[in-house]
Amino acid sequence: AQSVAQPEDQVNVAEGNPLTVKCTYSVSGNPYLFWYVQYPNRGLQFLLKYITGDNLVKGSYGFEAEFNKSQTSFHLKKPSALVSDSALYFCAVRHPGGTSYGKLTFGQGTILTVHP
Amino acid sequence: GAVVSQHPSRVICKSGTSVKIECRSLDFQATTMFWYRQFPKKSLMLMATSNEGSKATYEQGVEKDKFLINHASLTLSTLTVTSAHPEDSSFYICSARANLAASGGSYEQYFGPGTRLTVT
Repeated sequence: AQSVAQPEDQVNVAEGNPLTVKCTYSVSGNPYLFWYVQYPNRGLQFLLKYITGDNLVKGSYGFEAEFNKSQTSFHLKKPSALVSDSALYFCAVRHPGGTSYGKLTFGQGTILTVHP
Repeated sequence: GAVVSQHPSRVICKSGTSVKIECRSLDFQATTMFWYRQFPKKSLMLMATSNEGSKATYEQGVEKDKFLINHASLTLSTLTVTSAHPEDSSFYICSARANLAASGGSYEQYFGPGTRLTVT
């Protein structure tokens, strides 16, 4: 069964500092991995995805994520955090096939707070 | 491109009444749509998978007679919460999965802005 873990409920960083939001996964087969961001009372906005190819994936708003197969991780990073990055972040894995094809399994979410 | 809308954005209804939430893919066709429920500051819980022209597939523990899903066209799916109770109050989010051509093969999901349901 597919699963995703975000070990940190909250991450706090100072504006201008680098940020990392952690995600580890467990899948059978090749993983399709996603990061989404959610602002209060809003739906999810797509940030980036890893399907295949280069392990470093660049996405929206200056975010990037590194796929690490040996560590089964897909951590979200940004070199310099902004206060406006404060939001709820979700890592997700897509089911590769069978009756669950296309379904997304989400991590529990990480609240990122960037302090001025 | 790839915009998904939901209507209404928020709704308040009385206990025992039914409420319908619409999910539309505005600029692409979506054979499959998904309905999620989210509690405050919690992850999304998949409720059901909605396939155009066929019955929805419900996740374990989700009452299909309470949460009626209809996917009558390639751009519209509806979720009807029947005989609503206060415990049904939640944030409901839909997503639409783009077809092969629109997503470049990744079958990416695009999410609606969500509907806040409050049952009094």
